[in-house]
Amino acid sequence: DIVMTQSPDSLTVSLGERATIHCRSSQSVFYSSNNKNYLTWYQQKPGQPPKLLIYWASTRESGVPDRFIGSGSGTDFTLTISSLQAEDVAVYYCQQYYRTPRTFGQGTKVEIK
Amino acid sequence: EVLLVESGGGLVQPGGSLTLSCAASGFTFRSYWMHWVLQVPGKGLIWVSRINPDGSNTNYADSVKGRFTISRDNAQDRLYLQMDSLRAEDTAVYYCTRETESGYDWGQGTLVTVSS
Repeated sequence: DIVMTQSPDSLTVSLGERATIHCRSSQSVFYSSNNKNYLTWYQQKPGQPPKLLIYWASTRESGVPDRFIGSGSGTDFTLTISSLQAEDVAVYYCQQYYRTPRTFGQGTKVEIK
Repeated sequence: EVLLVESGGGLVQPGGSLTLSCAASGFTFRSYWMHWVLQVPGKGLIWVSRINPDGSNTNYADSVKGRFTISRDNAQDRLYLQMDSLRAEDTAVYYCTRETESGYDWGQGTLVTVSS
């Protein structure tokens, strides 16, 4: 199984400041035949299902604000919230969909300082 | 609009059975792999099972293999999860998901509580 490890487990950031979440996979999730990383980022708020933010490691889902930026390739990935807003308080998960079983990171809780 | 609506959750005793159902709409159901994902309240997301578009190929997490069965009815646009020999540690919200090239679409989830 591909193990996904996020860091940190929680993050406290001031409004308007940058939040950075890291995700590492135990093996590469890069598919060379189409040059894509099979890595997604989800945002989950209390009482709600996860919401897709970023797919193929760096492509923003339609309607997602451009302050959410995904980057990385292979085994190391980053989700950056460039200017934290109050509505961004949530838990963020990375997931690989390169291999079955699909696996998720343990989640990173983002709070306001 | 893609809509996934789960039902069938509830309270069941250890060793009991439950069948979850997911009604899909807003897309061509028979064209997509479908998955179940669980979340223990307050904890992270765990992949449970998947089924291919025509129902001929299934995969399971080791923790549920031999106890859970995923199936689908493409005529009714429905996904199922038959859960047998339930354990306390199966207590979770179960989400029905559609997998696309860009990741998952999610239902709202249904809560399964295994307790005596």
